Amino acid sequence: GENVEQHPSTLSVQEGDSAVIKCTYSDSASNYFPWYKQELGKGPQLIIDIRSNVGEKKDQRIAVTLNKTAKHFSLHITETQPEDSAVYFCAADLSGNTPLVFGKGTRLSVIA
Amino acid sequence: KAGVTQTPRYLIKTRGQQVTLSCSPISGHRSVSWYQQTPGQGLQFLFEYFSETQRNKGNFPGRFSGRQFSNSRSEMNVSTLELGDSALYLCASSSGQGRSPLHFGNGTRLTVT
Repeated sequence: GENVEQHPSTLSVQEGDSAVIKCTYSDSASNYFPWYKQELGKGPQLIIDIRSNVGEKKDQRIAVTLNKTAKHFSLHITETQPEDSAVYFCAADLSGNTPLVFGKGTRLSVIA
Repeated sequence: KAGVTQTPRYLIKTRGQQVTLSCSPISGHRSVSWYQQTPGQGLQFLFEYFSETQRNKGNFPGRFSGRQFSNSRSEMNVSTLELGDSALYLCASSSGQGRSPLHFGNGTRLTVT
């Protein structure tokens, strides 16, 4: 089955700097890659997703890039703010009827 | 539109007992998935129900079971609780059609003593 590796497990950045979280997946047939943000005491919330026919997608300060050949995708957060502090999860999906497989998460701390 | 509601938020149980967790999906959503979240293992998929039928199942023992009702509400049951079952149990709903995003509830924190 699919396996998703996520790095780093913790990340500290100064406010205003950029943060990058990387994930690799094992099944080349996976074609949907969402990113979730989990704040303390809450469930994960979808922040951005990308499909395999697209190499990059942006939404304001966040962007996701996908390299299908290398089977890895990354989340980029620019101009980080304290409210970006949270745990971020990447995930991969083979098809619309198979469950999402999640990475183990990255705890991002933005230091003011 | 109301989000995914999970009850209760916290539970404390003793080893050997059983527990039932409840999940009310977003109105109109027909798919409900359950995940177990632990610090060491991240989010582990338990099962998914779509229109009252189990559509997918993860690698958990038979002590973990679930069901879905005609109004799409779902329950998850864990029998003969073990210390290792202590975790945050997350429910997520989606339309279940094609590639629809998961919407998570805030979870039920289960502690087994």
